[in-house]
Amino acid sequence: DTEVTQTPKHLVMGMTNKKSLKCEQHMGHRAMYWYKQKAKKPPELMFVYSYEKLSINESVPSRFSPECPNSSLLNLHLHALQPEDSALYLCASSQGGARGDTQYFGPGTRLTVL
Amino acid sequence: EDQVTQSPEALRLQEGESSSLNCSYTVSGLRGLFWYRQDPGKGPEFLFTLYSAGEEKEKERLKATLTKKESFLHITAPKPEDSATYLCAVQKGGSEKLVFGKGTKLTVNP
Repeated sequence: DTEVTQTPKHLVMGMTNKKSLKCEQHMGHRAMYWYKQKAKKPPELMFVYSYEKLSINESVPSRFSPECPNSSLLNLHLHALQPEDSALYLCASSQGGARGDTQYFGPGTRLTVL
Repeated sequence: EDQVTQSPEALRLQEGESSSLNCSYTVSGLRGLFWYRQDPGKGPEFLFTLYSAGEEKEKERLKATLTKKESFLHITAPKPEDSATYLCAVQKGGSEKLVFGKGTKLTVNP
C-alpha cells in the first residue's frame, strides 16, 4: 500500500482565517514533504521533515507553519494568507535513506484564499 | 545548477500511435530519476524510479529508460486513458530534494 491521505480535499479561507491542512501515511516512511503547485507548473518544495525533524525549509513565508506530531502525521498551519497563496498543496512521503528515495504523493488539498 | 528539461511540452497522439517523451538532466551525482503521471487537480502518481545508466523499467504500455544525460518514457499503443501530464524529476546525492521538469502534457485521441 502506497497511500498518502490528505484532508480536507478543498478549503476556502479568508485572509484573516487560521486553518490547517493534514497529511497521514501508514507506510512506515520516515521522511514527509509539503509541496505547493500552481496551475500548469510542477510542484515546488516547501518543507521536508526527516525522522520528525524539520530538515529543509525552502524560505517559505512564516504564514505557513509546518508541524510533524509523529512519524505518520504532517500538518501545515495557515494564517493570514494572501490570494496568491491559492494553489494545490501536496503532501508526500518516502522511506528516507541513502539511495534514490521514491516520494509518494497524496491527492492534494485545493486551497482558495479570498 | 541542477536542471531538468522535458520535451515536448505537449504531445497529441492518436490511439495506438506509439511515441516517446524526453527528460534531459544535468545534476551532479544522480541519486535517482523519477517519472510521475499527474491528472488535472490530482497529486502525482508514481510510475518509475531509475538509478543508473542502462536501467530500464516497464509497466503496462509504459517503458522508462535512462542514460547518463537523459531518460525516455516510451508509450506503446497508447489509449485515451493515458492522457495526463507526465513529470520527470531527479534527486542528487546528499539531498532529499527533487528537481522537477515542467512536464509533458499528453493527449491521446480515440
